[in-house]
Amino acid sequence: AQKITQTQPGMFVQEKEAVTLDCTYDTSDPSYGLFWYKQPSSGEMIFLIYQGSYDQQNATEGRYSLNFQKARKSANLVISASQLGDSAMYFCAMRATGANSKLTFGKGITLSVRP
Amino acid sequence: DTGVSQNPRHKITKRGQNVTFRCDPISEHNRLYWYRQTLGQGPEFLTYFQNEAQLEKSRLLSDRFSAERPKGSFSTLEIQRTEQGDSAMYLCASRFTRDSTEAFFGQGTRLTVV
Repeated sequence: AQKITQTQPGMFVQEKEAVTLDCTYDTSDPSYGLFWYKQPSSGEMIFLIYQGSYDQQNATEGRYSLNFQKARKSANLVISASQLGDSAMYFCAMRATGANSKLTFGKGITLSVRP
Repeated sequence: DTGVSQNPRHKITKRGQNVTFRCDPISEHNRLYWYRQTLGQGPEFLTYFQNEAQLEKSRLLSDRFSAERPKGSFSTLEIQRTEQGDSAMYLCASRFTRDSTEAFFGQGTRLTVV
């Protein structure tokens, strides 16, 4: 079974500052992928970044980077230079490399960017 | 390519009524997933299709729920005899397994059972 834990109740960040959103995971699968999605109030889940369990380097996508620490089973999202449009719910998710490739999500973190 | 489309966006129904939601995935995507998201929680997997074949159903999917994907294109999710506990956001996602890692989500259908 896979489990994603997001315990931060809500995060606030000043515009243009960097923020880290925490995610820890648990799995017995040897091969897996870790994802971060953003969900604005409109409801759509927007893909941000992906990290494979065998990737040697941390993933980066524009202002997003994933701080992957495999031994600690953590996959924190770092958003640099926060913008007002970054205010949303953020979900960490995991997918085992297997037949169905379904995603297992955490409970999410609310991020509010202050002007 | 207009992304994953879900209809309706909102649905209010009386308890005991049947409802049906539709999902149109990105055209070349062979996999289609349904998730349910309740308030304050992350999405939970319900079921998925590989082309037209429904390959897995979660234990969350009671006998009142049925999903289809005729011809491997759009999919429908039907809930019979709705209950208040069915109130949630129903999200559809699609993916092409050969060249993409991420799944693309629609905007969801928000169901309210009164």
